[in-house]
Amino acid sequence: DTEVTQTPKHLVMGMTNKKSLKCEQHMGHRAMYWYKQKAKKPPELMFVYSYEKLSINESVPSRFSPECPNSSLLNLHLHALQPEDSALYLCASSPPTGRDEKLFFGSGTQLSVL
Amino acid sequence: QQQVKQSPQSLIVQKGGISIINCAYENTAFDYFPWYQQFPGKGPALLIAIRPDVSEKKEGRFTISFNKSAKQFSLHIMDSQPGDSATYFCAASMSSGTYKYIFGTGTRLKVLA
Repeated sequence: DTEVTQTPKHLVMGMTNKKSLKCEQHMGHRAMYWYKQKAKKPPELMFVYSYEKLSINESVPSRFSPECPNSSLLNLHLHALQPEDSALYLCASSPPTGRDEKLFFGSGTQLSVL
Repeated sequence: QQQVKQSPQSLIVQKGGISIINCAYENTAFDYFPWYQQFPGKGPALLIAIRPDVSEKKEGRFTISFNKSAKQFSLHIMDSQPGDSATYFCAASMSSGTYKYIFGTGTRLKVLA
């Protein structure tokens, strides 16, 4: 299994809603990532978990709350988002650091905030 | 110093032609340079990657050329096909366990049938 699975594929939410994005991988990767991608732009790193501990937070607003329940799962909890948060949210994973730094991306969740 | 500059922003190539996308970096601590391909509605997927200890790497129709002294690297797509139409991102990272990729701004490639 070489896939990173993200659910849901599409999400529409109001500014007062609370929702969660889910990500799952079964490749034994110990690093998992959340990226945000606006249209026609490169992915922007949000969070990195390494061995289930948050290792990088790229100064992301607190309305985004990541969670890594175990080595295969990654969640992103959303609360009180703004319309400018509408974007494609990508989850990725990578093998333990070494010579192979390859990122495996999921297909993303297309989020619209109304 | 953390930027990776990518050009061109968009590229149109005839079927069978060669597509060339260029990237340049400043930080000499970068030691891993991947190229990602992204189709609409999908996440990026690794296409090919290179490390500074080699000047060229070829996988099928895709070749990375790397110029360490100029701090530049490029992607060549030989015999370009309509199915290659996608957005391509170069990236750079350090193998020090930082987990940070610096992505280029992307090139939208369109291959005409």
